[in-house]
Amino acid sequence: EPEVTQTPSHQVTQMGQEVILRCVPISNHLYFYWYRQILGQKVEFLVSFYNNEISEKSEIFDDQFSVERPDGSNFTLKIRSTKLEDSAMYFCASSERESTRITWETQYFGPGTRLLVL
Amino acid sequence: GENVEQHPSTLSVQEGDSAVIKCTYSDSASNYFPWYKQELGKGPQLIIDIRSNVGEKKDQRIAVTLNKTAKHFSLHITETQPEDSAVYFCAAPRDDKIIFGKGTRLHILP
Repeated sequence: EPEVTQTPSHQVTQMGQEVILRCVPISNHLYFYWYRQILGQKVEFLVSFYNNEISEKSEIFDDQFSVERPDGSNFTLKIRSTKLEDSAMYFCASSERESTRITWETQYFGPGTRLLVL
Repeated sequence: GENVEQHPSTLSVQEGDSAVIKCTYSDSASNYFPWYKQELGKGPQLIIDIRSNVGEKKDQRIAVTLNKTAKHFSLHITETQPEDSAVYFCAAPRDDKIIFGKGTRLHILP
């Protein structure tokens, strides 16, 4: 069964450093998402991406964050200058089609990258 | 916007008994309600979902019920097994993103 994959599984970085989290969505999917989960808290939406541009972003997704689809398979989340509060589990998700109020498309989640900022 | 409340935060049941997790939502226009299971160190995995044109859906030991008038939906797990121990999240859509509840940590006691 096709699945979303993410690398690395764990990342430790110093505050102020840049990190890039990588995701390979399911191959025929067109819509991509990043979510994060601070330890013990709920999963929160960061950004959605379609057709090489951001379609929606949350207030968490400030200028320190960026996303990119550098080739036909990878989808990346970059944090330019990490802060202590960026420590969290980051999940990539993908869906085959766009979700609308009429038809919701299931989002499939990857296993996550645990980011620890020291 | 959509807000999802989930109860309880922790639930312990004896193996073989049933578990029920409840959620409420705020946006009456919401029409899709997925449940995700998250095991330790893994990402959320969809286990069942329901659309607003039905009131109940079953898949083996798992069922979800939806009351659109009251704006609440529930997950029912029958004949619980050790492998059911995990964190369960209810969710509702808002635009093209998912709004998750805070999660229920389910412990299955031997």
